[in-house]
Amino acid sequence: KAGVTQTPRYLIKTRGQQVTLSCSPISGHRSVSWYQQTPGQGLQFLFEYFSETQRNKGNFPGRFSGRQFSNSRSEMNVSTLELGDSALYLCASSRAGGSEEQFFGPGTRLTVL
Amino acid sequence: AQSVTQLGSHVSVSEGALVLLRCNYSSSVPPYLFWYVQYPNQGLQLLLKYTSAATLVKGINGFEAEFKKSETSFHLTKPSAHMSDAAEYFCAVGGTGFQKLVFGTGTRLLVSP
Repeated sequence: KAGVTQTPRYLIKTRGQQVTLSCSPISGHRSVSWYQQTPGQGLQFLFEYFSETQRNKGNFPGRFSGRQFSNSRSEMNVSTLELGDSALYLCASSRAGGSEEQFFGPGTRLTVL
Repeated sequence: AQSVTQLGSHVSVSEGALVLLRCNYSSSVPPYLFWYVQYPNQGLQLLLKYTSAATLVKGINGFEAEFKKSETSFHLTKPSAHMSDAAEYFCAVGGTGFQKLVFGTGTRLLVSP
């Protein structure tokens, strides 16, 4: 069974640009969550999608957005990039909600210059 | 609101020694608690989870954790450390209904020969 895949694995952008990251969950999983990991702030929840609906959102500015498609694949977009957006972005999937185990992908390393 | 405190950003042990990584949580609802491990340049892998079924939880790779409500703790232990255990460990708390996990700041485990 294939795990969670994230593309691209590495990305370099400049300030002011926008970026789209992609996440393919494990087959059969309908919930996809996104997290940002930085040395200073640690792991922070961005948002969660379930059956194409955003079900929960973290405390991030509106520049961060996401969506989920009917096949459960998800994308997150960051517009008007800032230096502080440099981070490892992790995607996690699970079958549903509640206490179910989340399976994490390897992450996308975004560097903003 | 839920929160997690991990005591000690770095823990050093010798190979064969006991591993003890500390985690204290705060939650206004019955919590679901998780321990994840992260190896360099990889995503997070679930070691174990507590979902109220049993207070002593056994996980993968010989790790276990005990839920102590009176102490609001969920410390991770392993009787004998291996070199391959060197990694960063994250404690996380979640609640029912949503997949929002709140992570601690992580503890880097160093294992010396």
